Amino acid sequence: KNQVEQSPQSLIILEGKNCTLQCNYTVSPFSNLRWYKQDTGRGPVSLTIMTFSENTKSNGRYTATLDADTKQSSLHITASQLSDSASYICVVSAGTNAGKSTFGDGTTLTVKP
Amino acid sequence: EAQVTQNPRYLITVTGKKLTVTCSQNMNHEYMSWYRQDPGLGLRQIYYSMNVEATDKGDVPEGYKVSRKEKRNFPLILESPSPNQTSLYFCASSLWGGDGANVLTFGAGSRLTVL
Repeated sequence: KNQVEQSPQSLIILEGKNCTLQCNYTVSPFSNLRWYKQDTGRGPVSLTIMTFSENTKSNGRYTATLDADTKQSSLHITASQLSDSASYICVVSAGTNAGKSTFGDGTTLTVKP
Repeated sequence: EAQVTQNPRYLITVTGKKLTVTCSQNMNHEYMSWYRQDPGLGLRQIYYSMNVEATDKGDVPEGYKVSRKEKRNFPLILESPSPNQTSLYFCASSLWGGDGANVLTFGAGSRLTVL
C-alpha cells in the first residue's frame, strides 16, 4: 500500500529561525513529489514539485530535497516568518496511475515572534 | 483570474437529503479531483477525472458520486448524506493527470455538516 509519512507532526519555532520538515514515502513506482502549504481553512498552495531526476528545488526561502534511493524528502525553511505558520503537506504520485496521489498528514508549523 | 471555484462554501444539511457541491475551473485543465479533509487526518482523495467522461475512484469513494460532462465542471454528489460525511471538501485541478509534474490548483474548500 502506498504511504506517505511526515514528521514531525507539529513544530514550534521562533521567528527568524530555520527548520526542516521530513517526508518518507513508500509509493512505487515513483512519479513526482510535491510540497504544499495550507493555511488554516484554506486550500493548499503548491510550493515545489520534483520528479525522479531532481535532487533539489528552491522557491524563495523554501528548499526541497529528494533522495529517490532512500525515498525521503525534506522541506527546509530559511529565516522563518510569522506568515510561514501553516500546515505543510507532502504529496507523492505513482507512475502507474498518476491520477491518484497519496497525501501525507502534514506538519503543522507555528512561528512565534 | 485563474481559479477553482467551489459552491457552497458552507452547508448544513440533514441525513438523507441529497446535495451537490459544484466545482468549476477556468484554466482549461484536463484533470480534476475531489478530496475530503478531517481533523487529524490528511487530505484523502474521493474521486478524480482525467478528462471529460473519464472518472475513477480515489481512496474513499463510498457514499459519493461524480460526473464530468464538461471540461470545466466536476460536481460532487452526495445522494444520501450521513453524519460521517461531515467534513471539509476540496476540489482541485491540474493541466493534466499524466506522468510527470502536475501541480494541483485547489479551491477554497466547502465545509459540510450533516446532522
